[in-house]
Amino acid sequence: AQSVTQPDIHITVSEGASLELRCNYSYGATPYLFWYVQSPGQGLQLLLKYFSGDTLVQGIKGFEAEFKRSQSSFNLRKPSVHWSDAAEYFCAGRGGGSNYKLTFGKGTLLTVNP
Amino acid sequence: DTGVSQNPRHKITKRGQNVTFRCDPISEHNRLYWYRQTLGQGPEFLTYFQNEAQLEKSRLLSDRFSAERPKGSFSTLEIQRTEQGDSAMYLCASSSIDSPLHFGNGTRLTVT
Repeated sequence: AQSVTQPDIHITVSEGASLELRCNYSYGATPYLFWYVQSPGQGLQLLLKYFSGDTLVQGIKGFEAEFKRSQSSFNLRKPSVHWSDAAEYFCAGRGGGSNYKLTFGKGTLLTVNP
Repeated sequence: DTGVSQNPRHKITKRGQNVTFRCDPISEHNRLYWYRQTLGQGPEFLTYFQNEAQLEKSRLLSDRFSAERPKGSFSTLEIQRTEQGDSAMYLCASSSIDSPLHFGNGTRLTVT
């Protein structure tokens, strides 16, 4: 079955430190992959997406993610975290059909210490 | 582009009552999705419309749930005879053929 797994439920980093959030996928073919961020009580905001081509994708707010087929991973990174980055982060994927339905991971809650 | 709009933002209801939520997608988007999100979980797919046609429904969508998109624009999600287990955030998203899903801020349902 198609799935997306986020191994880390909760991560705490200090402001200014680097960040890497892990995402693993299980799809038969190359999936379309996404990272979304959700602040408390809010909807989801798209950070970045991977469809094909360059395996390193840049997103908004200084985030980037790298698609690694050999590791079935699509990890999200940021070189220097800001306090405003504290939120929940969701990795999502879909297959290549016309239904753009996404399958989400369970999310990683990011806490940023001052 | 005013984004995806959902109303109401919050709904508190008593068990057994019916509730209806509304979603207004981004105007040029022909695809509309409903998701449900419970605490500590990622969003789970409920149903999908392309224009006015409901093309897919999840097994999560019991017969107490019904969704419509009568003119291919806004959509409604109705839950009949609500149960405490229906308490969740209900998210709507829309997309076009060349765009990813854009989500609204959701409707938080509390069933007492």
